[in-house]
This record gives sequence, C-alpha cells and structure tokens, in this order.
Amino acid sequence: GAGVSQSPRYKVAKRGQDVALRCDPISGHVSLFWYQQALGQGPEFLTYFQNEAQLDKSGLPSDRFFAERPEGSVSTLKIQRTQQEDSAVYLCASSWRGNEKLFFGSGTQLSVL
Amino acid sequence: AQKVTQAQTEISVVEKEDVTLDCVYETRDTTYYLFWYKQPPSGELVFLIRRNSFDEQNEISGRYSWNFQKSTSSFNFTITASQVVDSAVYFCALSEVQGAQKLVFGQGTRLTINP
Repeated sequence: GAGVSQSPRYKVAKRGQDVALRCDPISGHVSLFWYQQALGQGPEFLTYFQNEAQLDKSGLPSDRFFAERPEGSVSTLKIQRTQQEDSAVYLCASSWRGNEKLFFGSGTQLSVL
Repeated sequence: AQKVTQAQTEISVVEKEDVTLDCVYETRDTTYYLFWYKQPPSGELVFLIRRNSFDEQNEISGRYSWNFQKSTSSFNFTITASQVVDSAVYFCALSEVQGAQKLVFGQGTRLTINP
C-alpha cells in the first residue's frame, strides 16, 4: 500500500476484554515497530520486528501484551484482560531497515472503560 | 539511560514569524541518532530529519533548519516565515545506533501558527 495502515482506527473495550490491533506496513519494509502514545505525551517504544523475528520486546509493559508478525509483513498487537491504564494511541511504524526513515500509521486509539 | 527534554509545551506565533523549538538530550552513547518528527492532527508522525552524532553541520531544508550542538547536547529546530500549515505537535527523538534503534521521544511541543 501507499502507507502504513492500522486498524481499527478507534477501539472501545470494557475492562477485562482482549483486543487485537492490526498493522499493515509498507510492502517490502523489513523493520516494524510498535509504540504507545499516552495523551499529551511522546510515543514510547513497545517492540521491534525484523521480518518475522521479534528482536526487542523490552518495552512491552506486562505479559498481557503480545505482538506477532508471523509472515514478516502484517503485525498484530494483542492486549489481554485490558485495564484502564492501557488506554492510549498505539502507533505502528515500518522502514526498509532500522530507523533510517520510519513511516508511521495514524494509530489505533484504544479506550478502556 | 537516554532522555529527551522539550521544555516548551506550547508555542503560539503569528504567521510569517520565525520560531525555534528547543530540544535537549541525554545519553551515555558516543554515537547516536537524533530526529525530528511532526505530528499533525491526523495522528501519523511525519519524518523530518535524522542526524548522526558525528555530523555537527547545521542543515537547512527550505524554511526548516536544524542546529546541532554536541557541546550543549541540543538539537534545535527553526521554522522561518512560519505558515498556518506548520501547526502541529513536533517531537524530538534520540536513538541508539546498534540493536533495535528504538526511538526515545521528548514530550513534544504543540506549535500553533495564527493567521
């Protein structure tokens, strides 16, 4: 596609529900990142993939957060048993390699009630 | 640990004024990358520049310019003759050169250009 696509654009979940957020990177991009952006803050790193390999997941806040990229293209960020503090915008970014020039999606705004 | 500080939370100027966004960073690494990103209301971050720590030359791109000073750990961004379309939140960021090269962002500066 022309850019990084994320879906859904908005997600409202009841506390305790599981959610899955999808990222379609630009075709051919090797590197894929997930970031979490709280209201009024800068994005914070969650995890990084190089093709299908998850090379860094040091930013995932708890074991309720899980990310995958099984075929090295589309990625899914899953949050189990959502809590109110998980409310944020989740941004996906991709690039040919590393952070040379990252292309970001518009994000998924998650609200946990 | 790496840290980026953008002390200016919000700036408001009148169109055609020049405006400088400040960025101060902390890192123990001798080599690193510095970035500026623009976040318009649509939400996606738009890449503006990446600078290697070895390259202290200032850079100009149209109405945008960047002043990198290693001695003061600053990487400031100036918009000359601002326009309404420049209104956005601007983020400064820092990353390692090795590994995942994850970005550490500042809190952002909300820039409003008034007609």
